[in-house]
Amino acid sequence: EAGVTQSPTHLIKTRGQQATLRCSPISGHTSVYWYQQALGLGLQFLLWYDEGEERNRGNFPPRFSGRQFPNYSSELNVNALELEDSALYLCASSLIQGFGGYTFGSGTRLTVV
Amino acid sequence: KNEVEQSPQNLTAQEGEFITINCSYSVGISALHWLQQHPGGGIVSLFMLSSGKKKHGRLIATINIQEKHSSLHITASHPRDSAVYICAVRRAEGKIIFGKGTRLHILP
Repeated sequence: EAGVTQSPTHLIKTRGQQATLRCSPISGHTSVYWYQQALGLGLQFLLWYDEGEERNRGNFPPRFSGRQFPNYSSELNVNALELEDSALYLCASSLIQGFGGYTFGSGTRLTVV
Repeated sequence: KNEVEQSPQNLTAQEGEFITINCSYSVGISALHWLQQHPGGGIVSLFMLSSGKKKHGRLIATINIQEKHSSLHITASHPRDSAVYICAVRRAEGKIIFGKGTRLHILP
């Protein structure tokens, strides 16, 4: 069984540009979660999608947004990139809405220059 | 004060030692997770707890809902257990709060 896959592995963008990160959950998992791990900081919860809807979001500005597609894959979009957005972005999926154990992807390392 | 506090922040131990990592939280939760993050960022979900105790191999996780406290134990520790261990709590509405992690280093 394939795990949670994220793409791209690495992404370099210029300040002000937009970044799009993608996540494919484990087959059958309906919930997708996005997290940010900036250098020197712990994991921060970004967004939770389930059954195509945004269920909750962390304390991030609106330029962090995303969506979940009918096949449960998800995109995270970061608009108007700032240098501080440089971080490892992790995606996780779970089977049961909000209560299952997570399976994490390997992450996308976003560098804003 | 952080809503999720882990202790210790850093722990170095000899191979074979019994390891305990603690997590205290101050909010109502629907579940608590223990995660393991290896160098390079890969994260593995170890346990999800809402009550009692779970065991997987050499790992044991316990939670006391009344005391708002959870512990992760590693028996017969091994250098490959070296990683950052993160406690995360899930609020009923779905928001997830992470502890800052415990960096564990097991010496051979």
